[in-house]
Amino acid sequence: DVKVTQSSRYLVKRTGEKVFLECVQDMDHENMFWYRQDPGLGLRLIYFSYDVKMKEKGDIPEGYSVSREKKERFSLILESASTNQTSMYLCASRSPQGTAYEQYFGPGTRLTVT
Amino acid sequence: AQSVTQLDSQVPVFEEAPVELRCNYSSSVSVYLFWYVQYPNQGLQLLLKYLSGSTLVKGINGFEAEFNKSQTSFHLRKPSVHISDTAEYFCAVSDLGAGTASKLTFGTGTRLQVTL
Repeated sequence: DVKVTQSSRYLVKRTGEKVFLECVQDMDHENMFWYRQDPGLGLRLIYFSYDVKMKEKGDIPEGYSVSREKKERFSLILESASTNQTSMYLCASRSPQGTAYEQYFGPGTRLTVT
Repeated sequence: AQSVTQLDSQVPVFEEAPVELRCNYSSSVSVYLFWYVQYPNQGLQLLLKYLSGSTLVKGINGFEAEFNKSQTSFHLRKPSVHISDTAEYFCAVSDLGAGTASKLTFGTGTRLQVTL
């Protein structure tokens, strides 16, 4: 069974802290994605990675960075957390092979920045 | 660029009634279309997808959707809903042929609230 896990379900951080959100997938997928989900805005793509050490900005990359040193792990970094980064963060992975094109999602991390 | 519009932010419905959740998309190229469901405090789960072939697509939990190219729509339907269908539903589009560069663009979601 496919599985995407995220390091924390709930996280509370202070303004200015450096925050790491971890995502691990066990499906040997090449592509991984980070989204944030806000009420009324749906899911917005922050960053994605085609493969190890490869990354590309999504629609809202400002204030975030990512790291992909191993195929199974994709980390989202908030260099200096701010209150407007309070949100639900969702990680997803996908194999570009075949015709499936669907993404598999983790359970999400609800981050509160105070 | 592609975009997805979900016209209804909330849809209240009684149990055992039929429901339709609307989705319209805009794209300059051919697309793949998806519906995802998010139950409370969970991640997204794929309900169904349209890649090619028959325009009527059947998914899990009794849901189905119809791709209408001329109206650029992909509405989700269920003939009889259950309390357990209460969730948020997201329509998404992926541009065809972009290979590893293809990304999903999501709509803003529709909250389906089923009551007795």
